[in-house]
Amino acid sequence: DTGVSQDPRHKITKRGQNVTFRCDPISEHNRLYWYRQTLGQGPEFLTYFQNEAQLEKSRLLSDRFSAERPKGSFSTLEIQRTEQGDSAMYLCASSVNGGGNTEAFFGQGTRLTVV
Amino acid sequence: TQLLEQSPQFLSIQEGENLTVYCNSSSVFSSLQWYRQEPGEGPVLLVTVVTGGEVKKLKRLTFQFGDARKDSSLHITAAQPGDTGLYLCAGVRIGNEKLTFGTGTRLTIIP
Repeated sequence: DTGVSQDPRHKITKRGQNVTFRCDPISEHNRLYWYRQTLGQGPEFLTYFQNEAQLEKSRLLSDRFSAERPKGSFSTLEIQRTEQGDSAMYLCASSVNGGGNTEAFFGQGTRLTVV
Repeated sequence: TQLLEQSPQFLSIQEGENLTVYCNSSSVFSSLQWYRQEPGEGPVLLVTVVTGGEVKKLKRLTFQFGDARKDSSLHITAAQPGDTGLYLCAGVRIGNEKLTFGTGTRLTIIP
């Protein structure tokens, strides 16, 4: 399977704990995106990378959130001191840098539940 | 305010009927995409439109990009229960490489 892979698929954590999610993009894709989605809503942009460079971060991304893509391949999204409001689906997508014609392909997501 | 507004937000129709979902913005997009998402899964890309006025067909689904590249529509003919899902439009604004999603349309086809 050469699609976008996310791990874990599900995570239940206690409030105040730290969690880390991993995303492996399609191998030839140099762009990687993170989104957050709550039930019934469209995905909200969090951040994106071109290779290892983080190009933009949403104002939604508080200082408890950090994302890395150290070698320009896989990426991690860490949430420190989780809160119940962090409960959501976290989606990763990747694309080739094609200028304005950017087709993004998504992973299956990581469902986070903070109890 | 949302950059991309979709309407309707919810739609429930009988199998065999036709429907249209709209995606509107005041911004100009260099490209616009439509995705379908099943519960608990990531969005799956259906189509990308790039040229103003462009029409693309995918079996019973017809996608159109507005002439001014500010809006798009998705028309489904003879809807089937398998069409049920969350339909999302997403666009890339000119000068900004970020892919921004619409508010979504939850479609339910009743057998």
